[in-house]
Amino acid sequence: QVQLQQWGAGLLKPSETLSLTCGVFGGSFGGDDWSWIRQPPGKGLEWIGEINHSGNTNYNPSLKSRVTISVDTSKNQFSLKLTSVTAADTAVYYCARDSYYSASGSYQFDSWGQGTLVTVSS
Amino acid sequence: ELVLTQSPGTLSLSPGERATLSCRASQRITSSYLAWYQQRPGQAPRLLIHGVSSRASGIPARFSGSGSGTDFTLTISRLEPEDFAIYYCQQFGSSPYTFGQGTKLEIK
Repeated sequence: QVQLQQWGAGLLKPSETLSLTCGVFGGSFGGDDWSWIRQPPGKGLEWIGEINHSGNTNYNPSLKSRVTISVDTSKNQFSLKLTSVTAADTAVYYCARDSYYSASGSYQFDSWGQGTLVTVSS
Repeated sequence: ELVLTQSPGTLSLSPGERATLSCRASQRITSSYLAWYQQRPGQAPRLLIHGVSSRASGIPARFSGSGSGTDFTLTISRLEPEDFAIYYCQQFGSSPYTFGQGTKLEIK
């Protein structure tokens, strides 16, 4: 049973860079894609982007200019950087596994980190 | 971008009743790339349904999913107290992957 544990700074000032890391424990790292998703307080979920073990990325166009997702396969970790943050980036950030189930021919986020509240305030 | 619209925004029901939640897509969703998640306060979302109608591991049989094309439904046959939460549909059919805005299921 894979478990995701995430960490990073929770309080930033405007214009700073958000940096979070997610560690993957207890499962295979190479066979799946890995995503970051965020949720502003009291609002819905927004997919930020994903990466596979080879380092191939796919970003949400709404954030693409400010986002970098990277992977460290030696440590079974992947990371998120979001530059030039503003108050609008205040949210709980989640890491998640995009898995493919061959039996149903489907993709889904089936494992999630615990979430990190990132607050942007001067 | 493929937009998912969930209805109703809030559903007020009593334990033991049947809940029907709707998710409508702005364009046809490819294959079976539609999932449902449950989120309780202060927790990460939990996968309930994948591939439109397959229950995730450990999910009770009272949860079921159906639909195709642009219209999808999550049904909870008999509500238990722990089912009162927010439910999101989500699509993997086209990037960027998107979520519906959520349906809050509250106790009447």
